[in-house]
Amino acid sequence: QVQLVESGGGVVQPGRSLRLSCAASGFTLSNYAMHWVRQALGKGLEWVAVISFDGRNKYYADSVKGRFTISRDTSKNTMYLEMNSLRAEDTAVYYCARVYYYESSPDAFDIWGQGTMVTVS
Amino acid sequence: QSVLTQPPSVSGAPGQRVTISCTGSSSDIGAGYDVHWYQQLPGTAPKLLIYGNSNRPSGVPDRFSGSKSGTSASLAITGLQAEDEANYYCQSYDSRLRGWVFGVGTKLTVL
Repeated sequence: QVQLVESGGGVVQPGRSLRLSCAASGFTLSNYAMHWVRQALGKGLEWVAVISFDGRNKYYADSVKGRFTISRDTSKNTMYLEMNSLRAEDTAVYYCARVYYYESSPDAFDIWGQGTMVTVS
Repeated sequence: QSVLTQPPSVSGAPGQRVTISCTGSSSDIGAGYDVHWYQQLPGTAPKLLIYGNSNRPSGVPDRFSGSKSGTSASLAITGLQAEDEANYYCQSYDSRLRGWVFGVGTKLTVL
């Protein structure tokens, strides 16, 4: 069964760090580009970061650039989001999502995890 | 911050047809980037509903359809059902922001 499971969320003080994990099952992470998307409580979706299928290219939203780092461990079939210098406005549910490949652009996201809550307070 | 504009809410009676608009600009939808649509039921992760403006992934009923024209896109839902009550988001890419962007979301209420 194709599945993504996030973990690592919790309550953290402003300025501290947290690392989120996204474990993939039923498919090989290194065959897909992967994204992180977050959603503040009662708010809309906000794109956070992307890592290319080969891990070479990484891009970030301006709101997290310089503070967050996306990475992956192919041996563990797991993606990560290292979050440093956390702010209150980073409080949200964080989802990892797999890219759905089709003949055009931009990336669509076909598989989502259940989300992990990060509270900065 | 959302760069794609959606109405905050729409509503319709069971069996009716509703549409949800998604308005962008020359740096996103108008630049030729496709639009995708997601359905998010309360307390759950988003689900891909429409990709590439008008294509349905396997398993999505043909009651859902999408279109795009110029700097805007639309999601249409026909034969409304109670289970369609959810939040709907459009998504594209913004070349000025150099990132993926979502609409603010539209809450669909089935009366």
